[in-house]
Amino acid sequence: QQQVKQSPQSLIVQKGGISIINCAYENTAFDYFPWYQQFPGKGPALLIAIRPDVSEKKEGRFTISFNKSAKQFSLHIMDSQPGDSATYFCAASSAKTSYDKVIFGPGTSLSVIP
Amino acid sequence: DAEITQSPRHKITETGRQVTLACHQTWNHNNMFWYRQDLGHGLRLIHYSYGVQDTNKGEVSDGYSVSRSNTEDLPLTLESAASSQTSVYFCASRAHSSTGELFFGEGSRLTVL
Repeated sequence: QQQVKQSPQSLIVQKGGISIINCAYENTAFDYFPWYQQFPGKGPALLIAIRPDVSEKKEGRFTISFNKSAKQFSLHIMDSQPGDSATYFCAASSAKTSYDKVIFGPGTSLSVIP
Repeated sequence: DAEITQSPRHKITETGRQVTLACHQTWNHNNMFWYRQDLGHGLRLIHYSYGVQDTNKGEVSDGYSVSRSNTEDLPLTLESAASSQTSVYFCASRAHSSTGELFFGEGSRLTVL
């Protein structure tokens, strides 16, 4: 129930295209869903996050879509650029004490080719 | 600028040896975490601490220990290194909020031969 599933494992997108990464969770106690971006040799860094009281959040070219009933959320990267090439992790946590650790998905390796 | 630093960045050791990975943060965050990153598994939580003298086990804690004697540091110790512990280890910290941003170090790559 603590697991966060993520797909695809790897993704290759042409420059200017849309990158889409999907995640799913089981535990309805989760109420905070961040996405982290990791470049090679670096630690992950927060990219964007959403709470389940909204269905979409947009920051620049990055958008999170959230479907509470389906327990799914996704990251869309519009106009993908080579500089977006990185590993992306979806995650979940909760303000409730038992679930307040951040649980990460297995990650998606994105390559944006010129 | 506040930061979180890990050392060493790379280490090679032998099976059975004790290894300690250091983590130091200057944000004065109460919450600190250790994760390991392996291909196909993402980031898995090893141990975490919500404050001085507080330590808790994560999902993959066997063979690891931590101690929290001050706010800034959370060293991770492998009591008797095993080849299965070859991995990249990340330390992270955050302020009180359970839904706050995690700040990660740059990682420590450990190879156990």
